[in-house]
Amino acid sequence: DTEVTQTPKHLVMGMTNKKSLKCEQHMGHRAMYWYKQKAKKPPELMFVYSYEKLSINESVPSRFSPECPNSSLLNLHLHALQPEDSALYLCASRQTGDTEAFFGQGTRLTVV
Amino acid sequence: GNSVTQMEGPVTLSEEAFLTINCTYTATGYPSLFWYVQYPGEGLQLLLKATKADDKGSNKGFEATYRKETTSFHLEKGSVQVSDSAVYFCALSAPSGGYQKVTFGTGTKLQVIP
Repeated sequence: DTEVTQTPKHLVMGMTNKKSLKCEQHMGHRAMYWYKQKAKKPPELMFVYSYEKLSINESVPSRFSPECPNSSLLNLHLHALQPEDSALYLCASRQTGDTEAFFGQGTRLTVV
Repeated sequence: GNSVTQMEGPVTLSEEAFLTINCTYTATGYPSLFWYVQYPGEGLQLLLKATKADDKGSNKGFEATYRKETTSFHLEKGSVQVSDSAVYFCALSAPSGGYQKVTFGTGTKLQVIP
């Protein structure tokens, strides 16, 4: 299994809603990442988890709350988002000692 | 800090034409270099990689050589197909603050017409 699986594929939410994005990998990777990608732009790093601990937060607003319940699963909890948060949210994972990151297919988020 | 510069797009080619997408980088130390491809509405797929100078990465007819003397990692393909239409991102990975940080170029959109 060499896949990073993200669900849902598409999500539409109101500004007062609470929702969660899910990312799963079964490759034994111990580093997991959340990226945000706006249209026609490269991905921007949001969070890095290493061995289930948050190691990097790239000054992301608190309305985005990451969680890593175990080594295979990464969540991104969303609350009180703004329309400008609409984007493709990508999860990635990497094996410790490797430089190559594997990306999921992303969740296309629309905030209305 | 590290940076990646790749040619502006979009690039429009006819089927079977030769493709070159230029990529240069700035980094301290010895980064690993990658090309990722993103098809419309999808995530990023690793296309090829090179981890040290003079390495050549290749996959699906695409090639790129890690040139340390010119700090470049240009992507080439001898004969493009319509199915190659996508956005191509050059990227480098290097240690930063205890983790591997990936720095992406701005992406180059390739459109191949029949």
